[in-house]
Amino acid sequence: KNEVEQSPQNLTAQEGEFITINCSYSVGISALHWLQQHPGGGIVSLFMLSSGKKKHGRLIATINIQEKHSSLHITASHPRDSAVYICAVPQGGSEKLVFGKGTKLTVNP
Amino acid sequence: AAGVIQSPRHLIKEKRETATLKCYPIPRHDTVYWYQQGPGQDPQFLISFYEKMQSDKGSIPDRFSAQQFSDYHSELNMSSLELGDSALYFCASSPTGKLSYEQYFGPGTRLTVT
Repeated sequence: KNEVEQSPQNLTAQEGEFITINCSYSVGISALHWLQQHPGGGIVSLFMLSSGKKKHGRLIATINIQEKHSSLHITASHPRDSAVYICAVPQGGSEKLVFGKGTKLTVNP
Repeated sequence: AAGVIQSPRHLIKEKRETATLKCYPIPRHDTVYWYQQGPGQDPQFLISFYEKMQSDKGSIPDRFSAQQFSDYHSELNMSSLELGDSALYFCASSPTGKLSYEQYFGPGTRLTVT
């Protein structure tokens, strides 16, 4: 079974700061998901990536397949970025996903 | 672009009642996954369907059943509801069937059992 570790668990930042959230997994994968979950629950898919880097607005996701590690970066953070960020990977050999415990981000004005 | 649609978004039921949650995948997606996220928990895989057949099963209680219809939408039926069933249930759809690692997530249905 793929084990997913996220760090940090909680992160508090001031508006404008650069944010990095890390995700490590134990079994080789073909794609990794970054998800955002606001209080109240709705899941939003941010990125799905299998190599290199993807950018969407102020969000950047990178993945190193060899090191089994991915990072999610937020540039010029804003209070509306406050949410739980979750990474998820396929459970080795299967398409069902295993989720990390999430990183709770709070951005203060 | 069309996204995964779930209905209802919120549902309140009493113990021992039944509930039906619906998931409408992105057009031309033939695979649907169901996940359950309890309060303060990380999501757990429940069940998946590919081309209207169950393709994988996780920690889904026997009180729950699910199916995928000819238009590829899926329904999760939950009977004899318990307080512990209160959770966010979200589904994801995938475009190419088995062993596709692309999953697109719906916003979820928040079920509260009182």
